[in-house]
Amino acid sequence: DAGVIQSPRHEVTEMGQEVTLRCKPISGHDYLFWYRQTMMRGLELLIYFNNNVPIDDSGMPEDRFSAKMPNASFSTLKIQPSEPRDSAVYFCASSFGVYSGNTIYFGEGSWLTVV
Amino acid sequence: RKEVEQDPGPFNVPEGATVAFNCTYSNSASQSFFWYRQDCRKEPKLLMSVYSSGNEDGRFTAQLNRASQYISLLIRDSKLSDSATYLCVVNPSGGYNKLIFGAGTRLAVHP
Repeated sequence: DAGVIQSPRHEVTEMGQEVTLRCKPISGHDYLFWYRQTMMRGLELLIYFNNNVPIDDSGMPEDRFSAKMPNASFSTLKIQPSEPRDSAVYFCASSFGVYSGNTIYFGEGSWLTVV
Repeated sequence: RKEVEQDPGPFNVPEGATVAFNCTYSNSASQSFFWYRQDCRKEPKLLMSVYSSGNEDGRFTAQLNRASQYISLLIRDSKLSDSATYLCVVNPSGGYNKLIFGAGTRLAVHP
């Protein structure tokens, strides 16, 4: 079975440009998460969706960040305009079910560098 | 205070050694606890859940102490392939599947 699929795997962009990261969750999963990982702050939850509806976006750092989930098989995380401090690995993850013990499966990550 | 705190390490141990990692969490109402493993430049993957009574999976043993808000992971007979970062993970809500990750403890097993 295919896991969580993210694209692009690597992106280098200039400050001020728009960045769009994409995610396809595991089929049948009803929760989708966006995490960001940096050396300084570790792995941080940015936002998560349940059945395509955003449930908690309190981790989104500022208005430059936005996330959408137009259907059960696709989500985007957009940064506009991008800044060097946005450089990080962005992970998308998905899980099935409402119970807190269910396993979360991560994609391989999108490595973003903003210069 | 961070919600989940871990010793960053690194722990450098020889093959065959026993090593233990500790983790503390701040929210006493936390419901679920896990250890994830992350290899260099890879995504985190679930290693094991942590149950109140303690649980074991092969060479790995996890313990939970709710009174002290403390989680541990013990690895026996370390292998080279155990070299990775181990992330302590807590779900503070018990409801929606929202996980809070510790910064991780790095383990390096050498021959």
